[in-house]
Amino acid sequence: DTAVSQTPKYLVTQMGNDKSIKCEQNLGHDTMYWYKQDSKKFLKIMFSYNNKELIINETVPNRFSPKSPDKAHLNLHINSLELGDSAVYFCASSLTSGGAFGLSETQYFGPGTRLLVL
Amino acid sequence: SQKIEQNSEALNIQEGKTATLTCNYTNYSPAYLQWYRQDPGRGPVFLLLIRENEKEKRKERLKVTFDTTLKQSLFHITASQPADSATYLCALVTDSNYQLIWGAGTKLIIKP
Repeated sequence: DTAVSQTPKYLVTQMGNDKSIKCEQNLGHDTMYWYKQDSKKFLKIMFSYNNKELIINETVPNRFSPKSPDKAHLNLHINSLELGDSAVYFCASSLTSGGAFGLSETQYFGPGTRLLVL
Repeated sequence: SQKIEQNSEALNIQEGKTATLTCNYTNYSPAYLQWYRQDPGRGPVFLLLIRENEKEKRKERLKVTFDTTLKQSLFHITASQPADSATYLCALVTDSNYQLIWGAGTKLIIKP
């Protein structure tokens, strides 16, 4: 009955490889996010999807491509991995209130994927 | 420039005392502010939300205050316990685009 799940939990790979991280939520939420948390623990939003449509796309390299097959899933594909991509990647979801507070209601986070690029 | 600042140094508190964490922001017009807890190896977990027109919010041993004049939120844990040890993150939602802006977090250590 996990609310937001991510796979894999750990990912160790070589520079130049392509990898994907999967995220699924069973909360019935309509908005999903990808965050990067670096070694200084600072959370930076990368992407946000609402009902399978991209609504936030922060300045990230175009080697990162999110894909949302349905509103319960938001996967992250990374091409040509670089050393600087090593970090913890968190998926999160929230429910759009539809009211004054728009798209940023309480967010529920997955356990994170620890990516290490060698 | 726009910033959200939390004390980057760890906060050490004796068990049973009140722990107070600070979140300061500049050049944002907040709609509301949230506090999250993050344990090592886990994702953040939502604790409390306070709106810009609210002064104080409580939940069990937790209390949050919000002073839009000082541009500051304080997060209090009363009767602190070693199990409260974690990193606490504040996140501000602006009233312009309702995007969530995160602080870097403060590590809290409660000593028995």
